[in-house]
Amino acid sequence: QKEVEQDPGPLSVPEGAIVSLNCTYSNSAFQYFMWYRQYSRKGPELLMYTYSSGNKEDGRFTAQVDKSSKYISLFIRDSQPSDSATYLCARMDSSYKLIFGSGTRLLVRP
Amino acid sequence: NAGVTQTPKFQVLKTGQSMTLQCAQDMNHNSMYWYRQDPGMGLRLIYYSASEGTTDKGEVPNGYNVSRLNKREFSLRLESAAPSQTSVYFCAIGLAGANEQFFGPGTRLTVL
Repeated sequence: QKEVEQDPGPLSVPEGAIVSLNCTYSNSAFQYFMWYRQYSRKGPELLMYTYSSGNKEDGRFTAQVDKSSKYISLFIRDSQPSDSATYLCARMDSSYKLIFGSGTRLLVRP
Repeated sequence: NAGVTQTPKFQVLKTGQSMTLQCAQDMNHNSMYWYRQDPGMGLRLIYYSASEGTTDKGEVPNGYNVSRLNKREFSLRLESAAPSQTSVYFCAIGLAGANEQFFGPGTRLTVL
């Protein structure tokens, strides 16, 4: 079992929809979680990070961590075609190394 | 991907050839990382350098060597390329003890 599991998609939604992207993790030792966005043929860029459990909001994006179920979620409100990308969740370990999920490809249709 | 440059952008090698991928940063960050990205596998850490003069193995180091030449530069060397090393390679940088890593634009490598 991979440490961070993510559904590869693709996930296709109409413009304006609420998008839910999810990951599960297996190691609870160190609880910094990140969401990266990667456009085609580009390097990943950090969207949001959260520590431990709870919600964090930034504009249209909300990151949520549920420690009891070891679930990480990213919600995108009012999705736009420009949100079409691959979204990677990651867990940071105690040595500040990142362990990534395999990424979910999102397509927002105009 | 401002601040992290990678060369070359594309490369095709034959099995057994060697090459060095270069990464340079102008953000004065201590830590530098090399990842590979394969379909369905996400990003996997090959090697990292927490500071100038130190390097450590990541998840998939076999077949690779690295050099932290100075604070700015971190190179990845394939001594004898194999088709299994066909991948997209990303360099990343980070501040010691900080959450964010900044990624370069990547090098697409094909080994025939």
